[in-house]
Amino acid sequence: DTAVSQTPKYLVTQMGNDKSIKCEQNLGHDTMYWYKQDSKKFLKIMFSYNNKELIINETVPNRFSPKSPDKAHLNLHINSLELGDSAVYFCASSQLQGIGGYTFGSGTRLTVV
Amino acid sequence: GIQVEQSPPDLILQEGANSTLRCNFSDSVNNLQWFHQNPWGQLINLFYIPSGTKQNGRLSATTVATERYSLLYISSSQTTDSGVYFCAVVKAGSEKLVFGKGTKLTVNP
Repeated sequence: DTAVSQTPKYLVTQMGNDKSIKCEQNLGHDTMYWYKQDSKKFLKIMFSYNNKELIINETVPNRFSPKSPDKAHLNLHINSLELGDSAVYFCASSQLQGIGGYTFGSGTRLTVV
Repeated sequence: GIQVEQSPPDLILQEGANSTLRCNFSDSVNNLQWFHQNPWGQLINLFYIPSGTKQNGRLSATTVATERYSLLYISSSQTTDSGVYFCAVVKAGSEKLVFGKGTKLTVNP
């Protein structure tokens, strides 16, 4: 029973398209996150939601819009995809302030061609 | 923001060797985790260790929060230990888990 699940695992799309990545957690955690891993393997936070409320919004282009319909789900919608958006996107969840640790999904590899 | 530095950046070992990976951080932390990213890209949580020492099989970790560092020990390394090891911390009062740049470990048979 996967704790943090993301779909799809792979996404290949053309420049200019709009795409979504879905994330669900069954750990009962209050907080969910999106991280981006670039080609140099560096992991950086993009967004965080606590109980459906946005609490962290890093310097991310506004083509990226997170949506949290409930505290178990956090989706990432990307408009007008660009070549530079190619990366691996990880969803994660934790209790408030990360107490007990963060649990990561298996990642979504996005390739924009 | 908080700085997280990992060393060494790259490490090549023969199977059976032991190794120590280091993580230094620049501020007080509430949370420190070690992750292993395997060759398939999965991020596996190894330890949640904001302070103290923990052991899990051939792996152990120690965090000395007052001196702002953590160590990950890998004993009797195996080829399946290959991958990138990340240290990540949450600064006290923050919500953000901040990652170091990782140590890339290659274990040769």
